[in-house]
Amino acid sequence: AQSVAQPEDQVNVAEGNPLTVKCTYSVSGNPYLFWYVQYPNRGLQFLLKYITGDNLVKGSYGFEAEFNKSQTSFHLKKPSALVSDSALYFCAVRDWGGGSQGNLIFGKGTKLSVKP
Amino acid sequence: ETGVTQTPRHLVMGMTNKKSLKCEQHLGHNAMYWYKQSAKKPLELMFVYSLEERVENNSVPSRFSPECPNSSHLFLHLHTLQPEDSALYLCASSQDGVRQNIQYFGAGTRLSVL
Repeated sequence: AQSVAQPEDQVNVAEGNPLTVKCTYSVSGNPYLFWYVQYPNRGLQFLLKYITGDNLVKGSYGFEAEFNKSQTSFHLKKPSALVSDSALYFCAVRDWGGGSQGNLIFGKGTKLSVKP
Repeated sequence: ETGVTQTPRHLVMGMTNKKSLKCEQHLGHNAMYWYKQSAKKPLELMFVYSLEERVENNSVPSRFSPECPNSSHLFLHLHTLQPEDSALYLCASSQDGVRQNIQYFGAGTRLSVL
């Protein structure tokens, strides 16, 4: 069965410092991985995806994620955090049992707090 | 704006009421989804429609009834809800058959059941 784990409920970072939000996955097929961000009172917003190719994926707002097959991880990173990055971050993996419409399985989310 | 619009944004209803949530997407997608987001719980997939046919119902109680009249519109009809149904209900859409399957979400309807 496919699953995604986000081991941290909350990550606290000072503005200007690098940030990492962790995600590990378990899939029975090819790992199609996604990161979404949710700002307060908003829906989820797509940040980036890994389908195939380079292990380092670049996305919106300066975020990137590194796919590591041996560690089954897909951690989200940013070299220099901004206060405006404070939000809820979700890792997701495509559910290969979900048919062609490609359902996503989401992690429970990690709250990122960036302090000035 | 993501191209997915949900109305109303907030809804308060009693347990005996009947109400409906509406979702409309302007992206030309052919798959639509309903999710339930509760505090400190993973996002729960409720229903999936592909090409206007329901393809998945994740053991959702019958007091939730989806309707997809066309590929641009999705409704969630609510009746005799329970207080534990209070949550943020999110609608999403995507293009079926595209392997990347990026889902685009609406801002959600915050539902409170009294």
